[in-house]
Amino acid sequence: DVKVTQSSRYLVKRTGEKVFLECVQDMDHENMFWYRQDPGLGLRLIYFSYDVKMKEKGDIPEGYSVSREKKERFSLILESASTNQTSMYLCASSPFGASGRFLDTQYFGPGTRLTVL
Amino acid sequence: AQSVAQPEDQVNVAEGNPLTVKCTYSVSGNPYLFWYVQYPNRGLQFLLKYITGDNLVKGSYGFEAEFNKSQTSFHLKKPSALVSDSALYFCAVRVRLMEYGNKLVFGAGTILRVKS
Repeated sequence: DVKVTQSSRYLVKRTGEKVFLECVQDMDHENMFWYRQDPGLGLRLIYFSYDVKMKEKGDIPEGYSVSREKKERFSLILESASTNQTSMYLCASSPFGASGRFLDTQYFGPGTRLTVL
Repeated sequence: AQSVAQPEDQVNVAEGNPLTVKCTYSVSGNPYLFWYVQYPNRGLQFLLKYITGDNLVKGSYGFEAEFNKSQTSFHLKKPSALVSDSALYFCAVRVRLMEYGNKLVFGAGTILRVKS
């Protein structure tokens, strides 16, 4: 089974702190993703990466950055946390599909519920 | 914009009755559609996907979904609901990106409550 793990289930930080959320997958997937989940808004893509050291902005990248130094690890960084970044953060990974880079099924981690005070 | 819509915030159904969770899509080209489920305090789990072929797709836990091109819909169904099916359900569509493959765009989610 594919396993995607996230470093924390619950995290409480203060405004202005630098926050690191870590995600690790064990299936050698090329693609990795960071989403935030908010009630009534579904999942919104923050950043994704299709290869080591490669990153692409998603739909809501403002206030976030990412790092992918190794294939299995994808980190989300909040440079200066703000209260509007209080949310559930979900990491996902997927392999390249049968047609090359076309997306196959995404596999999700358990999520990190971040509260910024 | 390419998107999916889940018109119901919540669906209530009695155990043993059939259930339907609705999803409509708006994409250019042929749609690749997905359903995911999220149980409380858990990440999302893949249920099923439609790529091409048979309009009725079967997935995990006895769920199936019907692709209807003329109505641009991809409704999730189950013939007999279980209390354990109570969860948050997301519909998603694959959106092509210029160079890097694809991304998924998710609907807002539908809460399914199955009562005994």
